[in-house]
Amino acid sequence: AQSVTQPDIHITVSEGASLELRCNYSYGATPYLFWYVQSPGQGLQLLLKYFSGDTLVQGIKGFEAEFKRSQSSFNLRKPSVHWSDAAEYFCAVGLYGGSQGNLIFGKGTKLSVKP
Amino acid sequence: KAGVTQTPRYLIKTRGQQVTLSCSPISGHRSVSWYQQTPGQGLQFLFEYFSETQRNKGNFPGRFSGRQFSNSRSEMNVSTLELGDSALYLCASKRQQGPYNEQFFGPGTRLTVL
Repeated sequence: AQSVTQPDIHITVSEGASLELRCNYSYGATPYLFWYVQSPGQGLQLLLKYFSGDTLVQGIKGFEAEFKRSQSSFNLRKPSVHWSDAAEYFCAVGLYGGSQGNLIFGKGTKLSVKP
Repeated sequence: KAGVTQTPRYLIKTRGQQVTLSCSPISGHRSVSWYQQTPGQGLQFLFEYFSETQRNKGNFPGRFSGRQFSNSRSEMNVSTLELGDSALYLCASKRQQGPYNEQFFGPGTRLTVL
């Protein structure tokens, strides 16, 4: 079955430092890949997506992600973290329906930002 | 453009009761999906509706059901509530079916079962 792994449950970075959140997926075909962010008490907001083409994709809020087929990874990066980036981040793979629906999510990585 | 709205935002029920949650998608969106989010299991897919028909269903017991109306609004119902049903229930809408269409999420309904 398809799956998404986010190895880091919780990450703490200092404000202004760079950030990389890891995501690995298990999927037979070329995947549709997404990163979502969830602030406390809120729904999920799409940061960026990858369908095909350039493997480095830019998203909102200064985030970018790189698709590496050989490593089955889609890591999220930001060069300089702001305190407002503290939230939970979810990586997801898009599917064509079935019992897993259209999106399989990783367990999430909670980001804390130190002043 | 209004986003996805969910009502109520918070709900407290007792075991054995039933509950109905409502979701209004973004105007023009015909697909509505429901997810259950818990600390232990993360985000799990419940079902997807498109044009008033259930298109996909997750691995949840029959106590979980849903429907979609002609205006694309959707409801989900949980009967005979159990303590383990306590969760954040998220609704997401998108314009069409298919994994390449962006899903827009509502703020969720926080259900607490006592």
